[in-house]
Amino acid sequence: SQQGEEDPQALSIQEGENATMNCSYKTSINNLQWYRQNSGRGLVHLILIRSNEREKHSGRLRVTLDTSKKSSSLLITASRAADTASYFCATAQRAGTALIFGKGTTLSVSS
Amino acid sequence: EAQVTQNPRYLITVTGKKLTVTCSQNMNHEYMSWYRQDPGLGLRQIYYSMNVEVTDKGDVPEGYKVSRKEKRNFPLILESPSPNQTSLYFCASSLSNGPKGEQYFGPGTRLTVT
Repeated sequence: SQQGEEDPQALSIQEGENATMNCSYKTSINNLQWYRQNSGRGLVHLILIRSNEREKHSGRLRVTLDTSKKSSSLLITASRAADTASYFCATAQRAGTALIFGKGTTLSVSS
Repeated sequence: EAQVTQNPRYLITVTGKKLTVTCSQNMNHEYMSWYRQDPGLGLRQIYYSMNVEVTDKGDVPEGYKVSRKEKRNFPLILESPSPNQTSLYFCASSLSNGPKGEQYFGPGTRLTVT
């Protein structure tokens, strides 16, 4: 039951540039979360935005949520080589029992 | 250190040979779950547990079993592994708000079934 779909699938940028990833989903949500995964490793939680919030910041991360369009975006400012990873959005449905993940965006940041 | 541990990290086995992947968390989390990650398919939930002795199926439970006898442990059992269960497996746990909360993931178990 795929819920979130990230776009683009892959993104390559230079260090110092900003990276923007988008996520679209299909049903009403309680919250939306973003995770990072370094190659073959466990996922790490980045940020959670609730359905009644529109924007949230954490360090160099900025997340927006538009529930009318059922979409979210993750902006990483001033990217570093260490930001190279896969990024996943995950949605928590109101009556759900699972966090449903998208297929991810692979970000490559070159120095 | 607060963490989720999984063992083994890598496993190569043969079809039909029963195996168990252990998962343990030291954060007193009530909610635990198992995911498998496959190229092009993302993460899919196998089973989850809301608390001790309470488990339920996720999206892809066929061929798997779980148990939750203690709060900290949530082993994944493959009674008769098949090649289509070759995958990267993750255990996760969450304190606040169960499945809606921030998930803490283990490091993963890479399983190959020949």
